[in-house]
This record gives sequence, structure tokens and C-alpha cells, in this order.
Amino acid sequence: EADIYQTPRYLVIGTGKKITLECSQTMGHDKMYWYQQDPGMELHLIHYSYGVNSTEKGDLSSESTVSRIRTEHFPLTLESARPSHTSQYLCASRWHNSPLHFGNGTRLTVT
Amino acid sequence: AQSVTQLDSQVPVFEEAPVELRCNYSSSVSVYLFWYVQYPNQGLQLLLKYLSGSTLVKGINGFEAEFNKSQTSFHLRKPSVHISDTAEYFCAVSAVSYNTDKLIFGTGTRLQVFP
Repeated sequence: EADIYQTPRYLVIGTGKKITLECSQTMGHDKMYWYQQDPGMELHLIHYSYGVNSTEKGDLSSESTVSRIRTEHFPLTLESARPSHTSQYLCASRWHNSPLHFGNGTRLTVT
Repeated sequence: AQSVTQLDSQVPVFEEAPVELRCNYSSSVSVYLFWYVQYPNQGLQLLLKYLSGSTLVKGINGFEAEFNKSQTSFHLRKPSVHISDTAEYFCAVSAVSYNTDKLIFGTGTRLQVFP
């Protein structure tokens, strides 16, 4: 049972649109992460946060941005979607250095 | 820096047969090791982890893995698989440090269990 929620599960959108992928967790975890996952490829860390008002870029360069105004909420925004952004986006959280707890992902298709 | 290699992209196996999913890593420092499972249309779920201590680690759903430092491996095993084990399996590594935020994942192994 997921205590970390991602919406929407699936999104098909046209090029140039602004989109926000939502991620919320109810576990009070301090650290939150966004990973990008393409078929047959490893997961790439694109953003992470240590807590409220903390955001860092991950290893994979991404045109997306994130914010962490509340502990439980870590939305990811694309100002202008492009077909190269088509991927699955996974949100995760953890308390200190405990193992990551993942959401079910958002599968984004940009046409 | 750390890296992870999962040698098999796909592993087909019949139900009730044993299975081994291979994972090798490279790192210049000590590491923590993890196996995650991803069922279709779901996120990743932790199967097991090695942090320290016994090199044989038991996880959920009857899986186990053995940390072999000399061979830099962390292979995942199950003595008898079920249809429900069909999923994608990811090996991951992070450096042993105060802040283990950089979790590096392998490319995944798709386990397909046939009746």
C-alpha cells in the first residue's frame, strides 16, 4: 500500500504545454527525490530535497524544476514540454538514510 | 563514483525453478547495496538491503542475496520462483557516508516466470 502518491498516473500532452507532476507523502519523511526512468535504462536522479525550502539538482540534467514548500509535497514542473521529456517519472522519499520508498510513477507522453 | 552492472536484461525461467539475477558494482569506497522490485505499472519496492554484518541477506518474498566484496557482486537468488515473481528487478548502490543520497541504479533485469 502506497504512502506516497503521484498524480496523474498517465499524462499525454502537446508540445509547449506547462505541466506539473504531483507527489505527496504522508510518512513525514524529510528527504524526497525525483527519478526519471526510461525502458531498459537505469533510473536517473533528477532532483532531490533534504527538507522544506531545500532543493538540489541530481546527476541527470533536467529542464524541470521542483519546489518544497511543505514537508509532504514535492511537485515537479516542466515549463514547456517537449517530446524528449517523454518518460516515466518516479517520486521517492525516505527518513534520514533509511531505504527509499517509491510512488507508483507518472508516465508522461509529449506529442 | 559508483556504478552498477546488471549483466542480464532478461531472465526467462519456469515456475518452481531456481533463479539468480546477477549484479556487479564498482566503487572506490565502501558501499551499501540494495535490490528493488518493480511490478507492472507500479513504483519500486525494496526487496532487501546490505548495510553491514552478515554477507547473506534475506529479503521479502523468499529472496536472498549475497555480498561478495572480492568479486564486487551482490547477486539475487530465489530457490523456487512463482508466476507472481514476474517483474523488473533493480540492483542499486550507494557510498557509505553520512549522506547516502546518491543511489545509483542498474539498468534492471526483467524476470519472466512461465508456467
